[in-house]
Amino acid sequence: AQSVTQPDIHITVSEGASLELRCNYSYGATPYLFWYVQSPGQGLQLLLKYFSGDTLVQGIKGFEAEFKRSQSSFNLRKPSVHWSDAAEYFCAVGNEKLTFGTGTRLTIIP
Amino acid sequence: GAGVSQSPRYKVAKRGQDVALRCDPISGHVSLFWYQQALGQGPEFLTYFQNEAQLDKSGLPSDRFFAERPEGSVSTLKIQRTQQEDSAVYLCASSRLGEQYFGPGTRLTVT
Repeated sequence: AQSVTQPDIHITVSEGASLELRCNYSYGATPYLFWYVQSPGQGLQLLLKYFSGDTLVQGIKGFEAEFKRSQSSFNLRKPSVHWSDAAEYFCAVGNEKLTFGTGTRLTIIP
Repeated sequence: GAGVSQSPRYKVAKRGQDVALRCDPISGHVSLFWYQQALGQGPEFLTYFQNEAQLDKSGLPSDRFFAERPEGSVSTLKIQRTQQEDSAVYLCASSRLGEQYFGPGTRLTVT
């Protein structure tokens, strides 16, 4: 069965600081991996995806993620966060139906 | 272009009432998914259509939940005899080339 673990429930970072959100997955084959962002009262917006090929993928809003098969991880990074990045972030795995993690809430402080 | 739309955005139902939630996918998207998101949790898969065919309904929590997509476009998720545990946000997504695009969701509160 496929599963996703996001170990950090809540992360607080200062504006302008770097960010890394952790994601570990379990999947029987080569995984399709995704990061979504959800702002309050909004639907999920796709930040980036990994299907195959280059293990470092670039997304929207300056985010990137690195697929590491040996660690079963797909961590999300951003070199310098902005106040508008405050939101809930979800990692997901799947081909067709997606399995999501429980999310990491990101708070930005001035 | 227009994204995925869902209606109503908010629904309050008394326990035991039936509800119907609508999803309008992005035009031309063949695949359509329903997810349930409880408070403080990630979305959980309910069911999936390819055109009008329901290919996977393994996530539907009980036989009170029913989904349809009769013409391969608009989909309706119906919940009969609602219970308090059905309170959640119901998300619809349509898919192209493996990427799922989500609607804003319908927040269902059962009182």
